[in-house]
Amino acid sequence: DAGVIQSPRHEVTEMGQEVTLRCKPISGHDYLFWYRQTMMRGLELLIYFNNNVPIDDSGMPEDRFSAKMPNASFSTLKIQPSEPRDSAVYFCASSSGEKLFFGSGTQLSVL
Amino acid sequence: GDSVTQMEGPVTLSEEAFLTINCTYTATGYPSLFWYVQYPGEGLQLLLKATKADDKGSNKGFEATYRKETTSFHLEKGSVQVSDSAVYFCALTQYGNNRLAFGKGNQVVVIP
Repeated sequence: DAGVIQSPRHEVTEMGQEVTLRCKPISGHDYLFWYRQTMMRGLELLIYFNNNVPIDDSGMPEDRFSAKMPNASFSTLKIQPSEPRDSAVYFCASSSGEKLFFGSGTQLSVL
Repeated sequence: GDSVTQMEGPVTLSEEAFLTINCTYTATGYPSLFWYVQYPGEGLQLLLKATKADDKGSNKGFEATYRKETTSFHLEKGSVQVSDSAVYFCALTQYGNNRLAFGKGNQVVVIP
């Protein structure tokens, strides 16, 4: 298995632009998580899905953030409009039990 | 809510030194406990886990014992290598759901 695949690896954009991050979970996993990692806050859970249904989005910082999972093999995290304080590494992870499998992350820089 | 606390600050040590990273937890019920490791430029990956009191998880020379009496899960390695330089996260399963609660992580730097 190729593992959790995220794209792009790096994204540089200007403030106010829309940003879409993509994730392909491991086949057969029924949970998908989006995390954000910064030096100041560490690893934060933004939202997670079970069987494509959002279960808890209480970690989504603002209405500018939205996440979808249209099917079992694809999820997106969208930021619109983006702001410099959104600069971080965004990780997607999937699981079918207690063990999480993380993607390599998307390094987002908002100028 | 359920949470883990890791010792503050990075850890710098010489090759072949003994490593300890402290982790304590607060939890409802009996969570499973984990250590994840993040190598530079990569996502987190599971290093070891323990699912009940007195269990010892081990992998790649690292060990951690689930201590219910002290609510701790300290990570240890007897002789570190430069390749162990990474960020280490302690985590637990939260009561009633499939979420993991992570600590803030500890940067470990091993110098030759």
